[in-house]
Amino acid sequence: GAVVSQHPSWVICKSGTSVKIECRSLDFQATTMFWYRQFPKQSLMLMATSNEGSKATYEQGVEKDKFLINHASLTLSTLTVTSAHPEDSSFYICSAREMGRDSSTDTQYFGPGTRLTVL
Amino acid sequence: ILNVEQSPQSLHVQEGDSTNFTCSFPSSNFYALHWYRWETAKSPEALFVMTLNGDEKKKGRISATLNTKEGYSYLYIKGSQPEDSATYLCAFPGSARQLTFGSGTQLTVLP
Repeated sequence: GAVVSQHPSWVICKSGTSVKIECRSLDFQATTMFWYRQFPKQSLMLMATSNEGSKATYEQGVEKDKFLINHASLTLSTLTVTSAHPEDSSFYICSAREMGRDSSTDTQYFGPGTRLTVL
Repeated sequence: ILNVEQSPQSLHVQEGDSTNFTCSFPSSNFYALHWYRWETAKSPEALFVMTLNGDEKKKGRISATLNTKEGYSYLYIKGSQPEDSATYLCAFPGSARQLTFGSGTQLTVLP
């Protein structure tokens, strides 16, 4: 299957700083990438849909000024957690979608995730 | 908000045992049902995409069935091995093709 990389795999930062996480599709072009967040013992929660060349679509309750998403190329999307606070500590994971002819043949390839700890 | 539920939340089985777990999803506006396996420290890996009522898919010792009318899918593992230990996630695409995930079933296969 296709490979999606995510960098960094873990990061520790001080409260008030900003952290950028990169998601790259290594062997295919992805017009759409997704950013998820996982709270302890909970499922992957979709934060936003990142579309190449246009603004991201954020899910209800996700602050777009807090979680800045840029999808400047067909192989790279970035998530910047601005002015991070301890409550932003979480596991963030991205996926890149390889489109099928319809949703039943879409495949999402996931990165390995980023563990963010805000002190 | 789509409601995708998985049970049990966690499961411990002995090596060689067969096991199964459930994903339930809305039976209306069905597009597809995805199963993923997520091993610790790795990326979630796509296992199956189920589309038709009555579908049965198989990959080695793992198989899945689908009932769209009643809104559930079963994942079966025959003769579990320690390397099958992982979290198994199901996901349901919405009208915008984004996925809503269940909370997963964490399987531990004891040697």
